[in-house]
Amino acid sequence: KQEVTQIPAALSVPEGENLVLNCSFTDSAIYNLQWFRQDPGKGLTSLLLIQSSQREQTSGRLNASLDKSSGRSTLYIAASQPGDSATYLCAVMRGATNKLIFGTGTLLAVQP
Amino acid sequence: GAVVSQHPSRVICKSGTSVKIECRSLDFQATTMFWYRQFPKQSLMLMATSNEGSKATYEQGVEKDKFLINHASLTLSTLTVTSAHPEDSSFYICSTGELAKNIQYFGAGTRLSVL
Repeated sequence: KQEVTQIPAALSVPEGENLVLNCSFTDSAIYNLQWFRQDPGKGLTSLLLIQSSQREQTSGRLNASLDKSSGRSTLYIAASQPGDSATYLCAVMRGATNKLIFGTGTLLAVQP
Repeated sequence: GAVVSQHPSRVICKSGTSVKIECRSLDFQATTMFWYRQFPKQSLMLMATSNEGSKATYEQGVEKDKFLINHASLTLSTLTVTSAHPEDSSFYICSTGELAKNIQYFGAGTRLSVL
């Protein structure tokens, strides 16, 4: 059974810092991995999607890496801003099913 | 703007009543929708896959008679929590999207509180 874990559960940093969020999964046979952002009272917003054959994806200040063999992914946020404050979720897809298995999330607070 | 609309955003009900949650795709035809729930401090868990015009597929441990799913059109799927109990209090969220591209859009979620 696939299990997805995120560390840390919560993180508070001052504005401007670079930070790394971690995601690990137990079964390396994934189809892809996605990072989402969840804001209170709002739905999930997809940030980055990494296919199983890829090593990383970048979008603006965000960079996500994937190491399937070790079952790990990281989300790097450069020059953090208060607007980045949210819960960040990683999710792996099992096969080409579009069924996502989510981690427990990292609650990020960026202090102005 | 929102691609998936979910309603209501919050509902409080008495134990024993039934609650219906709607999920609408606004910009495209959704042949498949997914329903998730999230208990406090836990991850989102897939409950069921809703298929237009056919029966939903439920994940292991999810009672199909408890969580009724109807997907009668390409733009609307509903989840009805029947005879709700306090342990059903949770955050329910739906998703759909351009599944061939593995792109999913999520609704804003429904916070259900059963008293």
